[in-house]
Amino acid sequence: DAGITQSPRYKITETGRQVTLMCHQTWSHSYMFWYRQDLGHGLRLIYYSAAADITDKGEVPDGYVVSRSKTENFPLTLESATRSQTSVYFCASGVRDDTEAFFGQGTRLTVV
Amino acid sequence: AQSVTQPDIHITVSEGASLELRCNYSYGATPYLFWYVQSPGQGLQLLLKYFSGDTLVQGIKGFEAEFKRSQSSFNLRKPSVHWSDAAEYFCAVGFGNEKLTFGTGTRLTIIP
Repeated sequence: DAGITQSPRYKITETGRQVTLMCHQTWSHSYMFWYRQDLGHGLRLIYYSAAADITDKGEVPDGYVVSRSKTENFPLTLESATRSQTSVYFCASGVRDDTEAFFGQGTRLTVV
Repeated sequence: AQSVTQPDIHITVSEGASLELRCNYSYGATPYLFWYVQSPGQGLQLLLKYFSGDTLVQGIKGFEAEFKRSQSSFNLRKPSVHWSDAAEYFCAVGFGNEKLTFGTGTRLTIIP
């Protein structure tokens, strides 16, 4: 199916563990983004990518790592999860970085 | 840096009543403007967008928004809400080298 898919939808992990959230898009959009959504903060940009092998930090990058070896995939890794990283994570893609983004369904991550 | 403000955290409206959600932005030029809706447990869906031209923009699901340059506003409206409109609504702005920036959201509750 065309679109943008995230996996897993739900994840519980322990403090200190590494966890990777997956994102796959079928539109061949150049740009891909990772946001986290927290109550009172709306959506905050973690990392984004303008193309394969080009990534850059957003507003809240600390504790996260991204890679983009293929245009369609943009995984987000929490190297050592902390409770403060409990959040809902959204992946998005777009033709540009200043126009509409298309969102996945989100991954609800709980760090215990 | 640009910013976007949604002054209302939570709004309650009776079914069938009209709705207006406020959005103000801060930016030197007129940015690209967007409204997204997020239903519970879902990703964000684009309702409408403004790039230039006619300041009254029609979107999906019967929503419209009006761009007012003098007020730096892009308020979302609907003449008669339905119970299915209960959701979180996000305003977003973007332009040039400023990536898409989201407001903190307005949660809409519909009462019978």
